[in-house]
Amino acid sequence: DQQVKQNSPSLSVQEGRISILNCDYTNSMFDYFLWYKKYPAEGPTFLISISSIKDKNEDGRFTVFLNKSAKHLSLHIVPSQPGDSAVYFCAATGNQFYFGTGTSLTVIP
Amino acid sequence: KAGVTQTPRYLIKTRGQQVTLSCSPISGHRSVSWYQQTPGQGLQFLFEYFSETQRNKGNFPGRFSGRQFSNSRSEMNVSTLELGDSALYLCASSLDGTSYNEQFFGPGTRLTVL
Repeated sequence: DQQVKQNSPSLSVQEGRISILNCDYTNSMFDYFLWYKKYPAEGPTFLISISSIKDKNEDGRFTVFLNKSAKHLSLHIVPSQPGDSAVYFCAATGNQFYFGTGTSLTVIP
Repeated sequence: KAGVTQTPRYLIKTRGQQVTLSCSPISGHRSVSWYQQTPGQGLQFLFEYFSETQRNKGNFPGRFSGRQFSNSRSEMNVSTLELGDSALYLCASSLDGTSYNEQFFGPGTRLTVL
């Protein structure tokens, strides 16, 4: 049972434009959400997180939005750069980590 | 500070065999978690060890087991391999397993079961 879902397996964006990656979850008890970035042949690296008591968190070009009523979070990357091309995983925590299936982002120069 | 290391990086086994994967956490980290990554399922939590004790376990069959040593290094074992066990196995370490944004992943072991 996939408790965290990323329904878009891939996304292509022009350099300089906004990238929006989406994530849905089913468990209202999740209290912390994270985004990870993964390059080929490397493990995921932590990107940004948000607590369930907040609805927005910013870190430079990256902003995460949380809509608890819709059980939805999104990651905005502005402006997108070619080096952002990677697979992005969202994750939620309860008694353990639950990861989504990932979205492969390609930023076209 | 050295990162999380996993050995071997690649492994090919046949059905029915068993395999042991190793993970060395970042120095000072006492929590080690294991994940299975497959194309259709993303990352799925296998188990977490803290101070040589399994503290949490995901929904995997008993063929998947692990242990942690006193130096925090961890091993994961899969017995009676099945084709569906082909995946990237990732381990992640953190100081105590509670700082979720401070969980560092290794590069993974790519297991292929033929």
